[in-house]
Amino acid sequence: QQQVRQSPQSLTVWEGETAILNCSYEDSTFDYFPWYHQFPGESPALLIAIRPVSNKKEDGRFTIFFNKREKKFSLHIADSQPGDSATYFCAASASNYQLIWGSGTKLIIKP
Amino acid sequence: GGIITQTPKFLIGQEGQKLTLKCQQNFNHDTMYWYRQDSGKGLRLIYYSITENDLQKGDLSEGYDASREKKSSFSLTVTSAQKNEMAVFLCASSILGGQNTLYFGAGTRLSVL
Repeated sequence: QQQVRQSPQSLTVWEGETAILNCSYEDSTFDYFPWYHQFPGESPALLIAIRPVSNKKEDGRFTIFFNKREKKFSLHIADSQPGDSATYFCAASASNYQLIWGSGTKLIIKP
Repeated sequence: GGIITQTPKFLIGQEGQKLTLKCQQNFNHDTMYWYRQDSGKGLRLIYYSITENDLQKGDLSEGYDASREKKSSFSLTVTSAQKNEMAVFLCASSILGGQNTLYFGAGTRLSVL
């Protein structure tokens, strides 16, 4: 089934903590998993992406952990900053032209 | 770098009206998309176009038409605006397909009276 489930719907963490956002999928043909972020009043923009040849992808404070067996992937934001407050969308693609989007996590970082 | 320009930025329509939204990109990207985003919600795919003159329906295509007149432009028509409808319509493009970065325009905000 072509669906991506995302949780939690909203998340509040204190500045400096690690925020963890979760996604899961069922379609084993998915082979590309990006995370996009969307700041209030702006459009989504690519943050980081992973392909299942690896189970971890890092870019500064942002890390994707990928578990192929459990069909789960998560975004960890280390040392969270107030400027990280945004809505984060996970997505998945199966070598075609469509991205299947999660429903989004609204992340609030409290100073 | 490139840019995606959506026009108009704001669109106010009447119930039953036919409304057209336009999107231009200068990335020279092959694939273009139209998404609808309701307030506080995720992105729902309306139409996409793999290349010039191609059209593919997304999950939300009912009530909409699209046209890819040339590689750089992709338009969306709301065939009959629904009363009290409010949403943001986002146009995006990518080099070739969903496994490359999608670049989004700033959106068209639709309100139907």
